Amino acid sequence: QKEVEQNSGPLSVPEGAIASLNCTYSDRGSQSFFWYRQYSGKSPELIMFIYSNGDKEDGRFTAQLNKASQYVSLLIRDSQPSDSATYLCAVNMGNDYKLSFGAGTTVTVRA
Amino acid sequence: GAVVSQHPSRVICKSGTSVKIECRSLDFQATTMFWYRQFPKKSLMLMATSNEGSKATYEQGVEKDKFLINHASLTLSTLTVTSAHPEDSSFYICSANLGTGGYEQYFGPGTRLTVT
Repeated sequence: QKEVEQNSGPLSVPEGAIASLNCTYSDRGSQSFFWYRQYSGKSPELIMFIYSNGDKEDGRFTAQLNKASQYVSLLIRDSQPSDSATYLCAVNMGNDYKLSFGAGTTVTVRA
Repeated sequence: GAVVSQHPSRVICKSGTSVKIECRSLDFQATTMFWYRQFPKKSLMLMATSNEGSKATYEQGVEKDKFLINHASLTLSTLTVTSAHPEDSSFYICSANLGTGGYEQYFGPGTRLTVT
């Protein structure tokens, strides 16, 4: 079983719609969760982090965490073509400062 | 804040030569840095954790004698790919942790290595 799992996609959404990305993790003791955006040919960029159960909103992005279900999600509201990228879920499982990354979900926003 | 730079951004070298990649934290001191490699359309693969003033910790399967890591100061870590071969061609990315207690990592822009 992979430590961090994501649907690979591609996830195609029309402009203005909500893109919903899901991530599950295997270590129940994990405490810190991150979403990174990676454009093709570029390095990952941190867009959200969440530590507590519930929702955290930042602009058009909302991260949702449910530790009981070992599930973290990212919602992108009012999706724009510039949101087209691969989104990586990352989890710190308590092993010093290392992060375990999912394989990423590719999102395409159709104009 | 939390800006990480890498140099060079692209490098082409001949098989058998060595290549050094630098990773710098520009506006903070990074006790811990990380080195990743990424093949096209694949996820990040952690190669090693670089700690200032001590030896790097390599992930299983990563040859420490081939991928030399030095973290001589709080703002600089280097990765040297020794005796490079075409299969070492990849996108190498470093990241740094702020060291303020959080676990988020900030990534450099990456170095694309091509070995001919």
